[in-house]
Amino acid sequence: AQSVTQLDSQVPVFEEAPVELRCNYSSSVSVYLFWYVQYPNQGLQLLLKYLSGSTLVKGINGFEAEFNKSQTSFHLRKPSVHISDTAEYFCAVSRSGTSYGKLTFGQGTILTVHP
Amino acid sequence: DADVTQTPRNRITKTGKRIMLECSQTKGHDRMYWYRQDPGLGLRLIYYSFDVKDINKGEISDGYSVSRQAQAKFSLSLESAIPNQTALYFCATSDKLQGFAQYFGPGTRLTVL
Repeated sequence: AQSVTQLDSQVPVFEEAPVELRCNYSSSVSVYLFWYVQYPNQGLQLLLKYLSGSTLVKGINGFEAEFNKSQTSFHLRKPSVHISDTAEYFCAVSRSGTSYGKLTFGQGTILTVHP
Repeated sequence: DADVTQTPRNRITKTGKRIMLECSQTKGHDRMYWYRQDPGLGLRLIYYSFDVKDINKGEISDGYSVSRQAQAKFSLSLESAIPNQTALYFCATSDKLQGFAQYFGPGTRLTVL
């Protein structure tokens, strides 16, 4: 079975500062990795995904994440945040392959961007 | 138009009542999922369906049932609602061509009094 740990439940940051949201996973098999964002009173929106290939993945809204297999991590970064990035962010993992598809989610990290 | 829709968006009901939450999708995906979200607990999987004839329990299926009426429709029922089922419920869909990335509906906020 897979598990996901998001190391920070809340991350406050000032506008235009860089931010990193940390995600570690545990799995005995190869995985796919995802980051989702949830704005207040909305559903989850896919930010980016790692399926294979380059370990640096670029997503929407200027976010990127790096897959580190040796450290079993998939941290999300943005070099300069905006007020509009205030939201809750979820890391998720699934077993790779052609027939699976269940996601395991972390507990979420609330990013608050202050002016 | 939204690709994944959920009805109702908000519902208040009383303990013991039967309630159905509905999900429809126009993405053409074969897989559909129901989650509940509680503060601090992230999303927990209730049921999932890989096609119309394949329905599986998730990690917290007790007290819930589902019906996959068609590839595009997946309903969640609470047979006898209880207060600790008060939560935000999400439907999601996925497809293997996207590495099973899941696409979520807007959610249903359910309150059981």
